[in-house]
Amino acid sequence: GAGVSQSPSNKVTEKGKDVELRCDPISGHTALYWYRQRLGQGLEFLIYFQGNSAPDKSGLPSDRFSAERTGESVSTLTIQRTQQEDSAVYLCASSLLGQVYGYTFGSGTRLTVV
Amino acid sequence: GNSVTQMEGPVTLSEEAFLTINCTYTATGYPSLFWYVQYPGEGLQLLLKATKADDKGSNKGFEATYRKETTSFHLEKGSVQVSDSAVYFCALILTGGGNKLTFGTGTQLKVEL
Repeated sequence: GAGVSQSPSNKVTEKGKDVELRCDPISGHTALYWYRQRLGQGLEFLIYFQGNSAPDKSGLPSDRFSAERTGESVSTLTIQRTQQEDSAVYLCASSLLGQVYGYTFGSGTRLTVV
Repeated sequence: GNSVTQMEGPVTLSEEAFLTINCTYTATGYPSLFWYVQYPGEGLQLLLKATKADDKGSNKGFEATYRKETTSFHLEKGSVQVSDSAVYFCALILTGGGNKLTFGTGTQLKVEL
């Protein structure tokens, strides 16, 4: 597609439930990133996929968080046993590997854990 | 490690005022530098970039110059408009360092009539 697409745009879930967030990157973009933006705070790196290489998971805050990517296409971010502190906007971005023009961001998924 | 420091907001200005949002960085290599903007209710958009020392990025009347000697990338605009009200994020990327963008905490700009 023309841009990075994320779904759902909003998700309200009960504490303790699992959620799955989806990201469709720009076609041909080999790199895909997940960031988290808590209310009033900056962007927190979560995970980075680069082609077929092992992902950089150094930003995942706990083992409740995991992400997958199939080839150079869709990625899913899964949060198990959600906690209230997981409430945030989850942003996905993609880029051409090696390009220094920055990322193209999706509009994000706003997750609210009640 | 790599880090980006921005001035805290909110910054409140009157329309047509001059804007400066300070940004300094620490990097283990030679980064490319970016400003992203997030308008209310929208996603992040790339505003401008600079990839080497003394480069000036510019877009929509905003400018920022890559100053290696002061490790800075301050954002400026000569005359702000109400429509410029948004959150501005300074960021860096080290090519070959995982191509991972490191962001500052963001600076909220409010422009009033």
